[in-house]
Amino acid sequence: EVQLVESGGGLVQPGGSLRLSCVVSGFTFSSYEMNWVRQAPGKGLEWVSYISTSGGTKYYADSVKGRFTISRDNAKNSLFLQMNSLRAEDTATYYCVKGGYFDSSHFWGQGTLVAVSS
Amino acid sequence: DIQMTQSPASLSASVGDRVTITCRASQGIRNDLGWYQQKPGKAPKRLISAASSLQSGVPSRFSGSGSGTEFTLTINSLQPEDFATYYCLQHHTYPWTFGQGTKVEVK
Repeated sequence: EVQLVESGGGLVQPGGSLRLSCVVSGFTFSSYEMNWVRQAPGKGLEWVSYISTSGGTKYYADSVKGRFTISRDNAKNSLFLQMNSLRAEDTATYYCVKGGYFDSSHFWGQGTLVAVSS
Repeated sequence: DIQMTQSPASLSASVGDRVTITCRASQGIRNDLGWYQQKPGKAPKRLISAASSLQSGVPSRFSGSGSGTEFTLTINSLQPEDFATYYCLQHHTYPWTFGQGTKVEVK
């Protein structure tokens, strides 16, 4: 059974940093592309970032470019999102999502909540 | 970026009604579109993949159609558990983009 479990969310002050993790099981992580998608409270869904199987290709939404960094550790079946210079508008539930150019399976985790507030 | 225009933003319906939600892409995306259902406090659940393929375990009252730029999600005979928010997602190219969502409420 495919499972994606996010962690690392919490309350952080504006300008602060946070590192999200997503640990996966049930599939060969190193063979699949991954993404982060977020949803602000009461708002719609927004794609945030993509990473290829090797980590050599990464894409970011304009809203997070230069502040967020996606990475992966294939040996530990883990996906990460390093979030720096956080703003109030980054407050959202962050989901890791399996999928990409070569995989349209689109399995989602349950999400982790990030709140940016003073 | 590909813009996904979803309509309506909300609708009121009764149990047993037929409901139709539309997504329009700003450029052709073949059939690289999924439909999701989301309930409060839960992760989105994919109902339809490849524009018209029903996901395993999803009731047959849900159906999807379309290709290119026009897509439709239809719910036949709305059930109480179907009151939720629905989103389309294009994954034809990055950045992935979602429709704005359609909230299906009780009439």
